[in-house]
Amino acid sequence: DADVTQTPRNRITKTGKRIMLECSQTKGHDRMYWYRQDPGLGLRLIYYSFDVKDINKGEISDGYSVSRQAQAKFSLSLESAIPNQTALYFCATSDGQGAGEKLFFGSGTQLSVL
Amino acid sequence: RKEVEQDPGPFNVPEGATVAFNCTYSNSASQSFFWYRQDCRKEPKLLMSVYSSGNEDGRFTAQLNRASQYISLLIRDSKLSDSATYLCVVNLGVGSGTYKYIFGTGTRLKVLA
Repeated sequence: DADVTQTPRNRITKTGKRIMLECSQTKGHDRMYWYRQDPGLGLRLIYYSFDVKDINKGEISDGYSVSRQAQAKFSLSLESAIPNQTALYFCATSDGQGAGEKLFFGSGTQLSVL
Repeated sequence: RKEVEQDPGPFNVPEGATVAFNCTYSNSASQSFFWYRQDCRKEPKLLMSVYSSGNEDGRFTAQLNRASQYISLLIRDSKLSDSATYLCVVNLGVGSGTYKYIFGTGTRLKVLA
């Protein structure tokens, strides 16, 4: 079983719809992240959370919200989806072991907003 | 200037060749460095961390040059299975434990039979 699980794997939705992407992890890590990847732009941070009571905006948080329901669960919501939110979304975790800590990614959610 | 820059490639090399990628970063306060491998439409996976003294893992060697602010990845004896995109990742380690990872856009490698 994957250590970081994202659902759904693929999602097609229409402009204006609210959708939620879910992430759960069995790594026992406190830190969780949501990234999006667009061709030619690399991964960009949307939100991150260092523990259940900690939520922080990343560089591109507009149009998104998150919820950290438990240490193991971190969900990303698009309140009113728009076409330029079409992207590949990744959830990630890290162990908080200092500057050398590594990111571990889920398998991604391909979102298409029509 | 991008915070982390990589040549997008593609680098097309024959099996058995040696290939090297470079990555430059702009923030001299960057604290840690990584190479990730990403297959098409899949999640990035950690290939190796990069240490100041240089480090090797089998056919892969990573080097860090802090003075010139670049990181390199050398792949020896390339295999078809090495075909992927290689992401350079820098951790800024800025402020009160708020570590920030900056990703390069990746260098695409194709190993040809």
